[in-house]
Amino acid sequence: DQQVKQNSPSLSVQEGRISILNCDYTNSMFDYFLWYKKYPAEGPTFLISISSIKDKNEDGRFTVFLNKSAKHLSLHIVPSQPGDSAVYFCAASGPSGNTGKLIFGQGTTLQVKP
Amino acid sequence: KAGVTQTPRYLIKTRGQQVTLSCSPISGHRSVSWYQQTPGQGLQFLFEYFSETQRNKGNFPGRFSGRQFSNSRSEMNVSTLELGDSALYLCASSPGDRGYLNEQFFGPGTRLTVL
Repeated sequence: DQQVKQNSPSLSVQEGRISILNCDYTNSMFDYFLWYKKYPAEGPTFLISISSIKDKNEDGRFTVFLNKSAKHLSLHIVPSQPGDSAVYFCAASGPSGNTGKLIFGQGTTLQVKP
Repeated sequence: KAGVTQTPRYLIKTRGQQVTLSCSPISGHRSVSWYQQTPGQGLQFLFEYFSETQRNKGNFPGRFSGRQFSNSRSEMNVSTLELGDSALYLCASSPGDRGYLNEQFFGPGTRLTVL
């Protein structure tokens, strides 16, 4: 039972364009969502998060959108850079305050072409 | 602040052996969570320790166990190793206080190979 799904295993975009990575979840008890970036043989690096009381959070080139009714979130990277090429994981936790257990999606490999 | 550190970085064991992995969290963080990453299953939650107590547990067999010390350092133990235990084991730390939304910060991982 996969509670967090990233249906696109890979995505390729041109440098300078927008990258949009998608994530769906099934558990309505999730109330905190995070995006991590991962390079091979390294641990995930935290990028950005969003609480279920918001529908958008921005940090520099990264914006996360949350649609609770659709149980869907997306990460927008604008503009995309070659250094953004990595595997991106979305993760969820909940209920409220229980952030010690993250449920991860399968990841999306992003390739940004120069 | 120093990041999350994990030792050793690489391990090779044979089936039936046991292994202990170590994790030192970011200073001041009291929660340590462990995850297993494999190509087929992705990143899966093992367990979380907070103030020396297991607070959350994933769906792994009892061969996987852990503990946390008073300085928040944590160890994970896998007994009777199986070939399928070959994976990257990641630990993550966070402040851990309930009611606050804290992101987890990950260490570099320990690559375990079981032959």
